[in-house]
Amino acid sequence: EIVLTQSPVTLSLSPGDRATLSCRASQSVSSYLAWYQQKPGQAPRLLIYDASNRAPGIPARFSGSGSGTDFTLTISSLEPEDFAVYYCQHRSSWPLTFGGGTKVEIK
Amino acid sequence: EVQLLESGGGLVQPGGSLRLSCAASGFTFTNYAMNWVRQAPGKGLEWVSSISNNGGSKNYADSVKGRFTISRDNSGSTLYVQMSSLRAEDTAIYYCARGRGGAYSFDYWGQGTLVTVSS
Repeated sequence: EIVLTQSPVTLSLSPGDRATLSCRASQSVSSYLAWYQQKPGQAPRLLIYDASNRAPGIPARFSGSGSGTDFTLTISSLEPEDFAVYYCQHRSSWPLTFGGGTKVEIK
Repeated sequence: EVQLLESGGGLVQPGGSLRLSCAASGFTFTNYAMNWVRQAPGKGLEWVSSISNNGGSKNYADSVKGRFTISRDNSGSTLYVQMSSLRAEDTAIYYCARGRGGAYSFDYWGQGTLVTVSS
């Protein structure tokens, strides 16, 4: 099983700040990594698929990078609606797994 | 508009069974793999099971293998999961999610149905 480790667990930032979230895989997942955003009481929303492709309707301030074992989700300038929990997920092999999540909170 | 509507959740005793359904609309169901993902209260996301577009390939998390069975009715655009030998640790919100582009990242999600396993 591929373990995905997200860091930091919590990120305290202000609106307008740049957010950098990390996801590290225990073995290579090639580019088969996705990022999701989840707000309280809501289902997750796909942001990025295959490491760097924005899902339809996702604002350009969200970007993904990386391959192999190290991946980054960057939010270039935080909007109030971006404060949420973010998860990474791989589809490289069975079983699929998610990272433990990073909470982006208002400082 | 893509819609996924889960149903069938509720309170069940340990050792009991439950079947969840996910009614899909707004897209050609037969073109997409489908998935179940769960989230225990206050916890992160956990993949549960996936089924290919034609139902010929099924995969399960180790935590549910042998107890859960995923299936689909392509004529009725509905996804199912039959859950048996339920345990307290199966308590979670269960989400139905569509596989993006025939692959296994999840581009649309339902709102979830809560399963509580308790005596």
